[in-house]
Amino acid sequence: SQQGEEDPQALSIQEGENATMNCSYKTSINNLQWYRQNSGRGLVHLILIRSNEREKHSGRLRVTLDTSKKSSSLLITASRAADTASYFCATDQRGSGNTGKLIFGQGTTLQVKP
Amino acid sequence: DSGVTQTPKHLITATGQRVTLRCSPRSGDLSVYWYQQSLDQGLQFLIQYYNGEERAKGNILERFSAQQFPDLHSELNLSSLELGDSALYFCASSQSGSPHNEQFFGPGTRLTVL
Repeated sequence: SQQGEEDPQALSIQEGENATMNCSYKTSINNLQWYRQNSGRGLVHLILIRSNEREKHSGRLRVTLDTSKKSSSLLITASRAADTASYFCATDQRGSGNTGKLIFGQGTTLQVKP
Repeated sequence: DSGVTQTPKHLITATGQRVTLRCSPRSGDLSVYWYQQSLDQGLQFLIQYYNGEERAKGNILERFSAQQFPDLHSELNLSSLELGDSALYFCASSQSGSPHNEQFFGPGTRLTVL
């Protein structure tokens, strides 16, 4: 079963604009990870944020985590056409044997128009 | 390039057949995860191995099995294939398989069952 729900399902913006994607989850987590997937290809790890962290940055990416609301957001600043992809959040649920297995959301499809 | 390799890239077979998908983790990673991505179910965790032993099981059908060998490569065996088994199968690896370890995904094997 899916742990996360992502919002919006699809997003279309112009190059240079910022893109914000949201992820909500249901149970307590150890960490939350964001991945990018270009059309039908492998997943690329973007960023991992631990449950005791509130914000993390990596280049043009900014991730926030609000464990009280069980939600996270991914912000891509100054988007480029090459950012066009599907973005997934994945949670490592606390108490699931702490194996590190990930539960994925349905993803947000981002289109950046040149 | 994540350092995780998967073979074959594409596989086309018929219903009722059996196939084997292979995964080599990143150098030094002890844990291997298998995920299935389909249009209707999204990305689902199937099974995890750590240093040769099964560690966690997800939504894996009884027709499917996996193992991890002493050299840490892993194989996912799918038998009595059905049309609904058509999907992208991903392998991921992490250093220790515990929480807070990033998972790095291979390029996937696209299975088509005709």
